[in-house]
Amino acid sequence: QKEVEQNSGPLSVPEGAIASLNCTYSDRGSQSFFWYRQYSGKSPELIMSIYSNGDKEDGRFTAQLNKASQYVSLLIRDSQPSDSATYLCALNYQLIWGAGTKLIIKP
Amino acid sequence: DAGVIQSPRHEVTEMGQEVTLRCKPISGHDYLFWYRQTMMRGLELLIYFNNNVPIDDSGMPEDRFSAKMPNASFSTLKIQPSEPRDSAVYFCASSFSGSTGTGELFFGEGSRLTVL
Repeated sequence: QKEVEQNSGPLSVPEGAIASLNCTYSDRGSQSFFWYRQYSGKSPELIMSIYSNGDKEDGRFTAQLNKASQYVSLLIRDSQPSDSATYLCALNYQLIWGAGTKLIIKP
Repeated sequence: DAGVIQSPRHEVTEMGQEVTLRCKPISGHDYLFWYRQTMMRGLELLIYFNNNVPIDDSGMPEDRFSAKMPNASFSTLKIQPSEPRDSAVYFCASSFSGSTGTGELFFGEGSRLTVL
């Protein structure tokens, strides 16, 4: 079992809809969780970090953490074509990474 | 302010040659990470340093790989001898830990290595 699992996609979402990205992990002791966005041919950039159970909102982005169920998700509201990218989930102070989910926002 | 600077941006070499990748972290950052990214394996942590000291090199594939950080403003990743399976994009990232662990990572633009 991989330490971090993400659906590779592509996940296709119409413009203006909510995009939901999920990440499950195996280590129950994981303490810190991060979502990075990576455009094709570019380097990853941080979107959000979350450390406690529950929701954390930042603009159109909401991170959700459920440690009991060992998953962390990222919701993107009012999806825009510029949100089309690969989204990477990282754990444990960014030492462990998922393979990423490719998101495509269709105009 | 300058971000993380990596060189070279692209490197094409032949199997068996030595490859040296370079990284200049953001001034004031106390963590430096080296990652490798491929389509098959995604983003993999190779090694990371805290205050120039290597903390964990368990991700380094084998003895052909070595990394150094002689001072706070420079790090190298060396592959000797290189093999075709080393072809990947190598990212350097730095962060300031503050009170939140390793902090937000700032990535360089990456070094794309092709070993023929």
